[in-house]
Amino acid sequence: AQSVSQHNHHVILSEAASLELGCNYSYGGTVNLFWYVQYPGQHLQLLLKYFSGDPLVKGIKGFEAEFIKSKFSFNLRKPSVQWSDTAEYFCAVPGAGSYQLTFGKGTKLSVIP
Amino acid sequence: EAGVTQFPSHSVIEKGQTVTLRCDPISGHDNLYWYRRVMGKEIKFLLHFVKESKQDESGMPNNRFLAERTGGTYSTLKVQPAELEDSGVYFCASSQQGGTEAFFGQGTRLTVV
Repeated sequence: AQSVSQHNHHVILSEAASLELGCNYSYGGTVNLFWYVQYPGQHLQLLLKYFSGDPLVKGIKGFEAEFIKSKFSFNLRKPSVQWSDTAEYFCAVPGAGSYQLTFGKGTKLSVIP
Repeated sequence: EAGVTQFPSHSVIEKGQTVTLRCDPISGHDNLYWYRRVMGKEIKFLLHFVKESKQDESGMPNNRFLAERTGGTYSTLKVQPAELEDSGVYFCASSQQGGTEAFFGQGTRLTVV
């Protein structure tokens, strides 16, 4: 079964700092990868996804992630965070042959103005 | 277009009582999923409907949980009788047939006291 690990439980940054959130997955054949975000009081929404092709994926709100197959990683990055990026971020992979998602434990990001 | 909506947003019940959670998926989405996040843990898959049929219910914790999707539209998740460990946030998501993105609702926070 697929599994996902997120290294950081809580990250605190000042505005304009650069962000990198780690995500590692277990090998399971064809790899599809997602990052979701949950802003305070809102629903989970998709930030970006990787299915194939260019391993550097651009998402919404200036986020990007890089799929590195040799490291089983899909780290999320943003060069300069804003206070509005304060949220919880989840890395996820679909199960083999199914639509269900396996999530990491999530990383809370707090951005200090 | 309306997103995935869940009712209620919060529910506090006593141990032993029954609670029914409701999810209205995005219109036309055949796939409907239930997930749960127990405090401090990752979001975990409960089950998957394709239209009115249960495609995968491998994540359902035990037989106190019953999910239905009569007519292939909205879905309900009933917990009877509720136990303390059932507390958490229950998420519903939906996707199109063959779609690669699941759209999530805001979740129902269930507290069993």
